[in-house]
Amino acid sequence: AQSVTQLGSHVSVSEGALVLLRCNYSSSVPPYLFWYVQYPNQGLQLLLKYTTGATLVKGINGFEAEFKKSETSFHLTKPSAHMSDAAEYFCAVTLYSGGGADGLTFGKGTHLIIQP
Amino acid sequence: DTGVSQDPRHKITKRGQNVTFRCDPISEHNRLYWYRQTLGQGPEFLTYFQNEAQLEKSRLLSDRFSAERPKGSFSTLEIQRTEQGDSAMYLCASSLGVLKLSGTEAFFGQGTRLTVV
Repeated sequence: AQSVTQLGSHVSVSEGALVLLRCNYSSSVPPYLFWYVQYPNQGLQLLLKYTTGATLVKGINGFEAEFKKSETSFHLTKPSAHMSDAAEYFCAVTLYSGGGADGLTFGKGTHLIIQP
Repeated sequence: DTGVSQDPRHKITKRGQNVTFRCDPISEHNRLYWYRQTLGQGPEFLTYFQNEAQLEKSRLLSDRFSAERPKGSFSTLEIQRTEQGDSAMYLCASSLGVLKLSGTEAFFGQGTRLTVV
């Protein structure tokens, strides 16, 4: 079964500092990987995704993530944090049960706090 | 493209009452998903539809829960005899194609927040 582990339920960085949100996955088959952002009382918005090809993926709002198969990781980074980046971030992997299942398995999320 | 819309945005109900939520997906999307998100957790998969056919249900979807997508367009999620443990955000998403085969994007609605008192 698939699982997603996000290290650190809360991450606090200063404005202008590097943002690093960690995601590790386990999957029996090569997965597709996603990062979503959620603002309070809102739905989820896709930041970026990895399907195939280049392992360094660029997304919206200056975020990027690198797929490292050997480490089963898909960490999210941003060189310089902005106050508007404060939100909940979710890493997700495609659901695969060998049957007809489709969908996403999410991590528990990381709350990003930006200090002025 | 107006995105995925969910109605209502908030629902407060008394324990034991039935509630129904609606989701309108992006018009050309053939797949529709329901997720539940409790406080401090990531969304958990409940069920999904390919057009009008319900193809998979999670073990989280007890027999008090039922979902339909009668004409392959909008979907409803009904919870009968609500319990306090049903309090959560219910999220709907839609996609064009199969996520696990193509990695296509799932677009999420803003969710319906259910509070059972």
